[in-house]
Amino acid sequence: EAGVTQFPSHSVIEKGQTVTLRCDPISGHDNLYWYRRVMGKEIKFLLHFVKESKQDESGMPNNRFLAERTGGTYSTLKVQPAELEDSGVYFCASSPQGFTGELFFGEGSRLTVL
Amino acid sequence: GDSVTQMEGPVTLSEEAFLTINCTYTATGYPSLFWYVQYPGEGLQLLLKATKADDKGSNKGFEATYRKETTSFHLEKGSVQVSDSAVYFCALLLSGGYNKLIFGAGTRLAVHP
Repeated sequence: EAGVTQFPSHSVIEKGQTVTLRCDPISGHDNLYWYRRVMGKEIKFLLHFVKESKQDESGMPNNRFLAERTGGTYSTLKVQPAELEDSGVYFCASSPQGFTGELFFGEGSRLTVL
Repeated sequence: GDSVTQMEGPVTLSEEAFLTINCTYTATGYPSLFWYVQYPGEGLQLLLKATKADDKGSNKGFEATYRKETTSFHLEKGSVQVSDSAVYFCALLLSGGYNKLIFGAGTRLAVHP
C-alpha cells in the first residue's frame, strides 16, 4: 500500500513568486492535514480536511495560503505571493475515519524563499 | 495555551547507552500523549502513545509513562542502537473531540558506534 506522497520534495523560489505543494494521502483516508515546521521549531498545525471539506483551518497564517482538496483525494497548498518567513518544511498527513491520534506522514516538502 | 516542550538537542550517545528525552506539556483537560519519530529521509511515524494518567506506552524497546502530576511524558530506552538515530517529536491530542495533534520542537538523537 502506497504511503503519503508529497511533491515537490524541495522548492526554491524568489520572494513574491507562487508555489504549489501537492499531497496524495493514503487511499481511503478521509482525514488530511497540513503542518509546517519552521527553522527547526515546533511542527505547527495549518489545517484539516475531512474528505473535500475544510474542518479546521485555524492554523493558516494568512490569506496568502490557499488549500484545496479536490474530490476528497489529493490536496494542494498554494502560497501566493511567497514571503521569506514562509520558508520551512510542509508536512502532509492523513488518517482514516475515527481519529485516534495516529497520523501517517509524508516526507515533507521543503520550501526555501530567497 | 496548549503546548509541548522538549529538551533541546542534539543528543549524542554511544551505542548501548541509556537514553532519556524529556517532554513536558501544558494542556486543559486530559490529553492523550504521543511520541513520533522521523528517520532520515522518511516521514514522521507513531512510536508509542498513552491515553490516560499512569499509562505506559512502549514500542521497539522505547517506553514513556504518562505522569499527570508532573505533566510529563519522558521517552526512555535502555540501550540505544545506531539505527535509533532520528528526530523524536513529543505530541498531545486534546480531549473533547479535537482532531489535531500539538507537537513539540523535536529532539535530534545521534548514536555512534
